[in-house]
Order: sequence, then C-alpha cells, then structure tokens
Amino acid sequence: DTEVTQTPKHLVMGMTNKKSLKCEQHMGHRAMYWYKQKAKKPPELMFVYSYEKLSINESVPSRFSPECPNSSLLNLHLHALQPEDSALYLCASSETPMNTEAFFGQGTRLTVV
Amino acid sequence: GESVGLHLPTLSVQEGDNSIINCAYSNSASDYFIWYKQESGKGPQFIIDIRSNMDKRQGQRVTVLLNKTVKHLSLQIAATQPGDSAVYFCAESQGGSEKLVFGKGTKLTVNP
Repeated sequence: DTEVTQTPKHLVMGMTNKKSLKCEQHMGHRAMYWYKQKAKKPPELMFVYSYEKLSINESVPSRFSPECPNSSLLNLHLHALQPEDSALYLCASSETPMNTEAFFGQGTRLTVV
Repeated sequence: GESVGLHLPTLSVQEGDNSIINCAYSNSASDYFIWYKQESGKGPQFIIDIRSNMDKRQGQRVTVLLNKTVKHLSLQIAATQPGDSAVYFCAESQGGSEKLVFGKGTKLTVNP
C-alpha cells in the first residue's frame, strides 16, 4: 500500500463552522505533512509532524489546528475560517522526516463561504 | 522544447519531442531535490529525485540534471507523450531540515 488517503475530497463550510480534514497512510512513515495549495501556485508547507510530534508550524493562523493521533493518522481541524482560506489542502508522508521522498494524497478541495 | 523555468510557467511541445523543464533554486544549503508531476485535480506525484552528491540521475524516460555551481535543476522527458501534460514542480530540501519547499512550477502541454 503506497497510498496517502485524504477525506473528504471536497468540503464546503461556512465561516462559523468547525470541520476536520483527515489523512491516513499505512506505509509505516514517521513524518507527515500538511500543505496548502492555491490555484496555479505551488504547495505551501503548513505543518510537519515528526514521530507524531509537531516539529514545524510555518506561522499558520490558529484557526488551523493539526493533530496526529497516531503514526498513521493526521487531522487538520478547521474553525472560523475565512473565504481566502479556500484552497486544496494536501497531506503527505515520508519514511523519515528528512531528505526522503514525500508521497502526497489527492487533497481536499475546501471552499469557505 | 525547453522552459526557462520559474519565469516562463508554460511549455508547449509536440508529441514525440523531448522536453526540458528548468528550475532555479536559491538555497545553496539544499542537498536533496525532487521533481513532482501534478495533474489537474490531483496531488503531486513523485517523478525522480537527486541528492547533491550527484550531477545526473536517470529514470524511465526522465533524466534529472543538477548544477550546484549555478543552483540549477532540470528535468528532461524523452519522447514526450500526451499523458505527460501536467504541471511540474521542483522541490528542495535543506540538509538537516524537515521542510520540502516547492518551486513555482511549469505547465507542460503536449500537442498530438
């Protein structure tokens, strides 16, 4: 199994809603990542989890809250988002946190209304 | 066909031609590089990687060249096919860093 699975594929939420994005991998990878990608732009790193601990937060607003319940799962909790937060949210994993190939999921297309 | 990388975001080639996609990186401490292919509506897909102790690496129909002197990376695709149409990103990682940073990307269109 070389897949990173993200759910849901699409999400529409209001600015007062609370929702969560989920990511799962069963490759035994010990690093997991959240990226945000706007249209026609490259993915931008948001968070890195290394051995289930948050190791990098790229100054992401607190309305985005990551969680790593175990080595296979990664969540991104969303609360009080703004329309400009609408984007493709990509999860990735790699065998180790440094200098190894990262596998990406298909992303969650988020629209904030 | 050849792109000049970050400042020319599109490249159009004929089917069967060779394509060259370029990428300039800025961090001289970067020592690991990956090329990703991203099709519309999908996540980035790994193509090939190279470490800074190498100048060239070949895969199936693809070759990556690394010139550390001028901080330049290129992806060569041989006998380009319509299925190669996508946006191609280079990504770099600095030694000892957990960050993988993406370049701006080049959109490749293959005309039949």
